[in-house]
Amino acid sequence: DTGVSQNPRHKITKRGQNVTFRCDPISEHNRLYWYRQTLGQGPEFLTYFQNEAQLEKSRLLSDRFSAERPKGSFSTLEIQRTEQGDSAMYLCASSLSGVVGYTFGSGTRLTVV
Amino acid sequence: AQSVAQPEDQVNVAEGNPLTVKCTYSVSGNPYLFWYVQYPNRGLQFLLKYITGDNLVKGSYGFEAEFNKSQTSFHLKKPSALVSDSALYFCAVRDGGQGNLIFGKGTKLSVKP
Repeated sequence: DTGVSQNPRHKITKRGQNVTFRCDPISEHNRLYWYRQTLGQGPEFLTYFQNEAQLEKSRLLSDRFSAERPKGSFSTLEIQRTEQGDSAMYLCASSLSGVVGYTFGSGTRLTVV
Repeated sequence: AQSVAQPEDQVNVAEGNPLTVKCTYSVSGNPYLFWYVQYPNRGLQFLLKYITGDNLVKGSYGFEAEFNKSQTSFHLKKPSALVSDSALYFCAVRDGGQGNLIFGKGTKLSVKP
């Protein structure tokens, strides 16, 4: 069990560019969550997968955001046409069905310049 | 709608003194409550959770939390603070059946030697 792994740790991009982040959950965990955390705030829920199915999406997830978990293992979060307001820490977490609570990764910090 | 509130932006404690970080909640139904800690530029680390049972929950690193249904509170406590406890602490409540969490804004704990 190597924990939840997120890559890259940091990403600096120019406004208007597309970025993609990757999350590798704990191997036996079938649930995967994405959160966004801006400075001075708690994490805010973005979306949730059970296996490969995306079961819930927050209203925070605009049309420029898309998440996938094609084989029910790792997940990617893509942001198209980035804006300065997208600058934040993007956190991934995973859990097992029936277990309350989950494990977070270290996050990807995105800076849009 | 489920929510949590952390009324203090910052808590200052001298090393060796007891500490309390406050959290109140608002839920429909039985609350599932959590405390997480975040160190600079890192993801969130799980401390403890309350689902049911004893009102005093013991967690990692010597932390504990007291669930008080009448006061709708879930305060985090530690009998003797360490300088290394200095970090950002988040209270959270589970939102519905899918498992995503709603976080408070966080409380910065500063422990001085």
